[in-house]
Amino acid sequence: EAGVTQSPTHLIKTRGQQATLRCSPISGHTSVYWYQQALGLGLQFLLWYDEGEERNRGNFPPRFSGRQFPNYSSELNVNALELEDSALYLCASSYGRPGEVQYFGAGTRLSVL
Amino acid sequence: AQSVTQPDIHITVSEGASLELRCNYSYGATPYLFWYVQSPGQGLQLLLKYFSGDTLVQGIKGFEAEFKRSQSSFNLRKPSVHWSDAAEYFCAVGAKGTYKYIFGTGTRLKVLA
Repeated sequence: EAGVTQSPTHLIKTRGQQATLRCSPISGHTSVYWYQQALGLGLQFLLWYDEGEERNRGNFPPRFSGRQFPNYSSELNVNALELEDSALYLCASSYGRPGEVQYFGAGTRLSVL
Repeated sequence: AQSVTQPDIHITVSEGASLELRCNYSYGATPYLFWYVQSPGQGLQLLLKYFSGDTLVQGIKGFEAEFKRSQSSFNLRKPSVHWSDAAEYFCAVGAKGTYKYIFGTGTRLKVLA
């Protein structure tokens, strides 16, 4: 069974551009989570989608947004990129029930120049 | 507010030595508790989880963790470390009802041959 897949593996953008990151969850999982792992800051919760709806949002500005498609895959969009957006962005998926384990993808490394 | 503390940023042990990684949490009720491992350039892999019941939890790769409610701790242990265990280890708390994980800042493990 395929795990959580993320694309692209690496993404290089310049300040002010937009970035789109993609995530395909494990088959049968309806929840998708996005985390930012910036150097020295650990993992910070960004967004949670379940059944196509945004359910929860971390303490990030509105230029971080996303969506979940009918097949439960998800996109994370980051507009007006800033240098400090450079980080590893991790996607996780789970069944949409309380306490279900989150399984992580390998991440997308975003570099903003 | 919920929080997770991993007091050791770096730990170095010799191969074959025992290991204990500390994790303390702050939460109003019994949380869901997790340990994940992240190898360089990789996503997070679940080592073990605690939801309820037996406070000593066995995981993959020979790891175990013990939930101590009185100390608000969930320390990870391994009796004999292998060179392949060198990685970064994250403790996480699952907030019941919100599906959101809160991660500690991680402990980077170095194994000496």
